[in-house]
Amino acid sequence: LAKTTQPISMDSYEGQEVNITCSHNNIATNDYITWYQQFPSQGPRFIIQGYKTKVTNEVASLFIPADRKSSTLSLPRVSLSDTAVYYCLVGDSGSQGNLIFGKGTKLSVKP
Amino acid sequence: NAGVTQTPKFRVLKTGQSMTLLCAQDMNHEYMYWYRQDPGMGLRLIHYSVGEGTTAKGEVPDGYNVSRLKKQNFLLGLESAAPSQTSVYFCASSLLLRVEQFFGPGTRLTVL
Repeated sequence: LAKTTQPISMDSYEGQEVNITCSHNNIATNDYITWYQQFPSQGPRFIIQGYKTKVTNEVASLFIPADRKSSTLSLPRVSLSDTAVYYCLVGDSGSQGNLIFGKGTKLSVKP
Repeated sequence: NAGVTQTPKFRVLKTGQSMTLLCAQDMNHEYMYWYRQDPGMGLRLIHYSVGEGTTAKGEVPDGYNVSRLKKQNFLLGLESAAPSQTSVYFCASSLLLRVEQFFGPGTRLTVL
């Protein structure tokens, strides 16, 4: 079964760049790596997805090295509203279709 | 366009009782998923469906059954609830298996 590891929590200040790394092994070779954001009492919300190298959208960047054993979510200039839990999601190499979420990183942004 | 909806929002069961959680989506998505979320455990996939009439097991399928009789609905059943099934259950749907999933608001289930 694929395994993921994320830091449990991170603190930051408004305006700073935040990088959250997820380590993952035994992931499907043909699968995307996806990141989600979750606020209390809500379902997760899609942030960004990539296969390799770097992907950027209007809210974040995702860096994936060539060996795909980790991925880093980068949030530029965070604000108080970015306080949330962030999850990485990968596909399991041993079971087609099975998706494995990380345990989540609680980001706290302070003024 | 309601997206993904879940019924009920809250439920309290006694050990041994049965219930069904309903998930509905109006985005014409082929893929639907049921997850459970427990403190410190993140989300874990229970079952998923790749289309009407098809289902498959995820990471933690034991104690649950699912059905996808209509494309827009995905039902999660607990035949004999146990306290270990106390959790928040999320349903999600996606156009394809590996792309962006849209999540419902969750169902908070307590089994006494």
